[in-house]
Amino acid sequence: SQQGEEDPQALSIQEGENATMNCSYKTSINNLQWYRQNSGRGLVHLILIRSNEREKHSGRLRVTLDTSKKSSSLLITASRAADTASYFCATDRNSGNTPLVFGKGTRLSVIA
Amino acid sequence: GAGVSQTPSNKVTEKGKYVELRCDPISGHTALYWYRQSLGQGPEFLIYFQGTGAADDSGLPNDRFFAVRPEGSVSTLKIQRTERGDSAVYLCASSLGLGEETQYFGPGTRLLVL
Repeated sequence: SQQGEEDPQALSIQEGENATMNCSYKTSINNLQWYRQNSGRGLVHLILIRSNEREKHSGRLRVTLDTSKKSSSLLITASRAADTASYFCATDRNSGNTPLVFGKGTRLSVIA
Repeated sequence: GAGVSQTPSNKVTEKGKYVELRCDPISGHTALYWYRQSLGQGPEFLIYFQGTGAADDSGLPNDRFFAVRPEGSVSTLKIQRTERGDSAVYLCASSLGLGEETQYFGPGTRLLVL
């Protein structure tokens, strides 16, 4: 079963605009990660945010985490056509090495 | 350095056949994970190895699925008596395994069962 739910399922924006994707989850976590996937193949790790963190930045990416609402958001600023991909949030189940639980993803299309 | 590699990239087989999918993790990574992704869905966990042993196989859908990692590096996912519903992309990931949470994924094997 999948814990995370991304919202929206699909998002289409113009190049240069910001893209915001949201993720909700059900159980307590130690960290939450965002991944990107092109063309249904391998996932690329983008950013990890720990449960005691509220916000994290990496380049044009900004991730927030609200553990009281069990939600996270991924903001991509100044989007580019190359950002077109599916984005997934993933949560762990316990501490240390555990399998990740993914949502269904948000399909982002950036139009040049 | 080399990332996670998976072979074959694509596999087409007939219903009832046996298939093996291979994963070569990043050198030095002790934790290895198998996931399965159906069209339009996120990856779903199948099995996780720490070293040579399967630490968690709770995601394997039934006893037709089996995975091994005999030397603590390369892993093979084995599917017996394949069914059309097994068609999916099978993803492998590895991590350092020392409380390191980031998992690095391979490109996947796309399995099509006719």
